Formats: sequence, C-alpha cells, structure tokens
Amino acid sequence: DIQMTQSPSSLSASVGDRVTITCRASQGISNYLAWYQQKPGKVPKLLIYAASTLQSGVPSRFSGSGSGTDFTLTISSLQPEDVATYYCQKYNSAPETFGQGTKVEIK
Amino acid sequence: EVQLVESGGGLVQPGRSLRLSCAASGFTFDDYAMHWVRQAPGKGLEWVSGISWNSGSIGYADSVKGRFTISRDNAKNSLYLQMNSLRAEDTALYYCAKALEYSSSSSCLDYWGQGTLVTVSS
Repeated sequence: DIQMTQSPSSLSASVGDRVTITCRASQGISNYLAWYQQKPGKVPKLLIYAASTLQSGVPSRFSGSGSGTDFTLTISSLQPEDVATYYCQKYNSAPETFGQGTKVEIK
Repeated sequence: EVQLVESGGGLVQPGRSLRLSCAASGFTFDDYAMHWVRQAPGKGLEWVSGISWNSGSIGYADSVKGRFTISRDNAKNSLYLQMNSLRAEDTALYYCAKALEYSSSSSCLDYWGQGTLVTVSS
C-alpha cells in the first residue's frame, strides 16, 4: 500500500508568515491528492483537491501544488483562524490513506 | 443543505459487533460514493472504507479488512458499517463522508457528518 508522509508534524509561525507543509507519497499518485483542515473539536474541512484546486469558499491564501509523489500546501499569510491540524489524503485507489497530520500554531 | 447523521455508536466489549448507520439528505445519494473515516482520541484521521455509488466497488483499510463490511441502501439514502470482532484499537469517532465528485470511484471527501463514538472496552 502507498504510504503518505507529512512534514513537519508541527510548526509554530507568526501571523502574516508564509507557511508550507509537505506531503510525500511512497509511490506516484498523479494529482489524486487532497488537503483537509481540522480545527480543534471540529469536523475536517476540505481545502484543496486534485493537488491544486481550491474548494469553493476556501480563502485564496491557501494553495496547493505538486504531482506524482511530492505535494505542498501553502498558507501565504497565516491568520489566527488557521490554527488547526492539516491532513493530506491520497484518493487514486483504496486504501485512501491520510498523512499523519501537521499541527499549525501561532507563535 | 447536505446533511450526514451517523448513529449506532456506543460502548461494546472486545470481540462483539456493532452496526453504524449514516442517514444522508440534501443531495442525490445514489450519485455519489460514500466513505467511513475514523479518528481515535487525540490521533489523526484514518480512512476505514469506501463504497461506490452502485456498490460495485468497495475498499477497506488493512486494519479492518475481514472484520468490517460497508454497505448502502440507496432507496433509504443510508450508509452502513457492520463492525465485527471489535478490538480496543477500533475505539474512535467514526465519520461518514460524501465523495466530492459525481459518480466517481476516485474522489476526495467534501461533506462530513459529526461522527459517532465507538468505545471498545471490557
């Protein structure tokens, strides 16, 4: 099975900083990669799908890139409401594995 | 408005069974694949199982294969997860989630329920 590895596992940044989270697949998955945001005590929310397509209603400071095995989620200017854990997920075929998550905090 | 409401969770002894249900509304249920995702307390998300719109394609995580069975009843707009031979490590909040893309077997998840808690303990 394909493994999904996120880095870092956690980060702390200042408001306004550019934040980058990476997700690596152990085998190529084309662009079948989604990013989710889960705020404490809340249900996960879809941010980006097809590696780089922004889900409707998601702020434009979020962006995604990559294809094959290496993917990136970028928050261009970190806001206090972005405090959350972010997960990548492959969905080209079962099992549709999630990464282990990256916890983002404000410094 | 899309709504997904899970039910059926609870406290169960190791080795016993439980059946989860998910009632869907606000969209054409039989047009979309559906999935179960779980989250153990304080842990990350784990994909459990998915089923295509017509039940023709089904997948499971290795951790539940042979013990869990996913099914759907399109006439009742409902998704199910039959969980047998439950273990302590199955303790988690179980989410029902809808696929984003119409009639696709390869799609991410755009709507999630609030989850139902399963606790496996003696």
